[in-house]
Amino acid sequence: GESVGLHLPTLSVQEGDNSIINCAYSNSASDYFIWYKQESGKGPQFIIDIRSNMDKRQGQRVTVLLNKTVKHLSLQIAATQPGDSAVYFCAERLEKLTFGTGTRLTIIP
Amino acid sequence: DVKVTQSSRYLVKRTGEKVFLECVQDMDHENMFWYRQDPGLGLRLIYFSYDVKMKEKGDIPEGYSVSREKKERFSLILESASTNQTSMYLCASSWPQRGVDNEQFFGPGTRLTVL
Repeated sequence: GESVGLHLPTLSVQEGDNSIINCAYSNSASDYFIWYKQESGKGPQFIIDIRSNMDKRQGQRVTVLLNKTVKHLSLQIAATQPGDSAVYFCAERLEKLTFGTGTRLTIIP
Repeated sequence: DVKVTQSSRYLVKRTGEKVFLECVQDMDHENMFWYRQDPGLGLRLIYFSYDVKMKEKGDIPEGYSVSREKKERFSLILESASTNQTSMYLCASSWPQRGVDNEQFFGPGTRLTVL
């Protein structure tokens, strides 16, 4: 079956533009989702989460969208900055967290 | 802020050596986890623990063992290191909610190279 993963392994975005990172998750019964950011040489950091009873959640410059019909999760980053360069990966929870492989986001100055 | 610390950032060991990776968290979390992270494979769960002296196998426990003698400390042990255990090792902890994972807080990782 499908596994948690991302449509694109790399993404390059001009500084100041918006970024959209996508994630296909595997289990329609998953009830909780998290986006993590991992900078080079560091451990993953929590960005934002969303529960399955929601479609959208906003944070500071980030928005997560959940489409349960197609089992799709996206992370939108507004007005990207050089510090946004990192690997981003999603996680889904069906009792246990399962992590995707990640997308490398590069911000072009 | 939750802090998860790992004993070493970089480690080089020889094949056959016994390796200890230590992890400490300061938020009184009951749940602790050990993952390895390899390019293209994402995070893979090695072992986890929901309480002191409790441990459960994750998806790839072979070649590893763990120890949880104190709530704040979770150790990963490679009994006899092999070259295929060269990887980034990440420790994580999370809030106490038995049976269900919550947001996990990660340490900085230990990059282990086995020669």
